[in-house]
Amino acid sequence: DAGVTQSPTHLIKTRGQQVTLRCSPKSGHDTVSWYQQALGQGPQFIFQYYEEEERQRGNFPDRFSGHQFPNYSSELNVNALLLGDSALYLCASSSGQTGETQYFGPGTRLLVL
Amino acid sequence: AQTVTQSQPEMSVQEAETVTLSCTYDTSESNYYLFWYKQPPSRQMILVIRQEAYKQQNATENRFSVNFQKAAKSFSLKISDSQLGDTAMYFCAFTKDFSGGYNKLIFGAGTRLAVHP
Repeated sequence: DAGVTQSPTHLIKTRGQQVTLRCSPKSGHDTVSWYQQALGQGPQFIFQYYEEEERQRGNFPDRFSGHQFPNYSSELNVNALLLGDSALYLCASSSGQTGETQYFGPGTRLLVL
Repeated sequence: AQTVTQSQPEMSVQEAETVTLSCTYDTSESNYYLFWYKQPPSRQMILVIRQEAYKQQNATENRFSVNFQKAAKSFSLKISDSQLGDTAMYFCAFTKDFSGGYNKLIFGAGTRLAVHP
């Protein structure tokens, strides 16, 4: 049973660039949530996708956008990167019907120079 | 708004001993879920244990158990027979009742646990 997968594992970008991170949910899950974890802090909720629509959004600017595909995989896009966007980006999946419990992927470490 | 507080930034324990990590939360919701996640240096966030607020019985998972005090809004994690592999950051997290499909997790700042031989 495949767990949550994310790609790439590491990424280095420069200020002003754009980045796309990818996530495939655990088998049987249809909901994907994205979190940003700054160094030494707890994860912060960015947004959640269900049925290819953004269902909830945290306190993040519009530079952060996402997409969910018919196979339930998801992308997180960040435009006009800032130094402060450097963080570990975690994807979590759950069931849209019963899914109060979220299962996390290994994360993508983004460094903005 | 809901908040989660972990007041112990770092803790250490000897192998085979017992350690308790503290977590308090604030919410006006009557039903919700609480979780402990473990994040080892490999950085993968792993679910350790979950508790449903409407259940009186404290959750247990092998060496891991919780002390859930709903009135006090306290949710501590006890690790028995600590092992070197328990070394990790531990995060307490909250989500409100899932009805309506809203289940964003709110995390505490974490407790770094070191298990020494």
